[in-house]
Amino acid sequence: QVHVVQSGAEVKKPGASVKVSCKASEYTFTSYAMHWVRQAPGQGLEWMGWINAANGDTKYSQKFQGRVTFTRDTSASTAYMELSSLRSEDTAVYYCAREVVLYAFDIWGQGTMVTVSS
Amino acid sequence: EIVLTQSPGTLSLSPGERATLSCRASQSVSSSYLAWYQQKPGQAPRLLIYGASTRATGIPDRFSGSGSGTDFTLTISRLEPEDFAVYYCQQYGSSPTWTFGQGTLVEIK
Repeated sequence: QVHVVQSGAEVKKPGASVKVSCKASEYTFTSYAMHWVRQAPGQGLEWMGWINAANGDTKYSQKFQGRVTFTRDTSASTAYMELSSLRSEDTAVYYCAREVVLYAFDIWGQGTMVTVSS
Repeated sequence: EIVLTQSPGTLSLSPGERATLSCRASQSVSSSYLAWYQQKPGQAPRLLIYGASTRATGIPDRFSGSGSGTDFTLTISRLEPEDFAVYYCQQYGSSPTWTFGQGTLVEIK
């Protein structure tokens, strides 16, 4: 069964960085782009950007440009999202999601809660 | 950047009733690139509709999508208890970028 599994919850102090992983299973990892979406508590979905799993090309939302980095390890079928200079407003659930036909996202990770607190 | 505005913010209906959710774009969107998602509390979103009107795998036929240009609609023909959730529309635009609407909560009346 196709699925992606994310790393566990994180608690970070303001100014720190966090790195979230997203491991793909039961499909060819390099055949699909992977997106990152976040959701602050009680809020809607916010697109952060995507990575081409085949060649590593990335595209970041302007809001996160300069603060976020997407990478991938094809040998481990895993994508990573690193967010730096964390502030309290970054407290959210972070999701990875696989892009399929017509740019929709069909497989989502379970989400990773990142809490930024002093 | 295209902004998606969903209405109403909250829809209060009873099981068995019809739900009509709207998603309006600030400028014309290719209908090929409009999707709808369902999200229940504590869960990740689930793809319902892509290409404005094509149901994703395993999605019941009581869910249907329509629209073009700037106006899109998600219809749930007869609400089942498991359909009470938040629904988001999403579009793909040039750059490339992706945008979500702010969501519509379908709650039990």
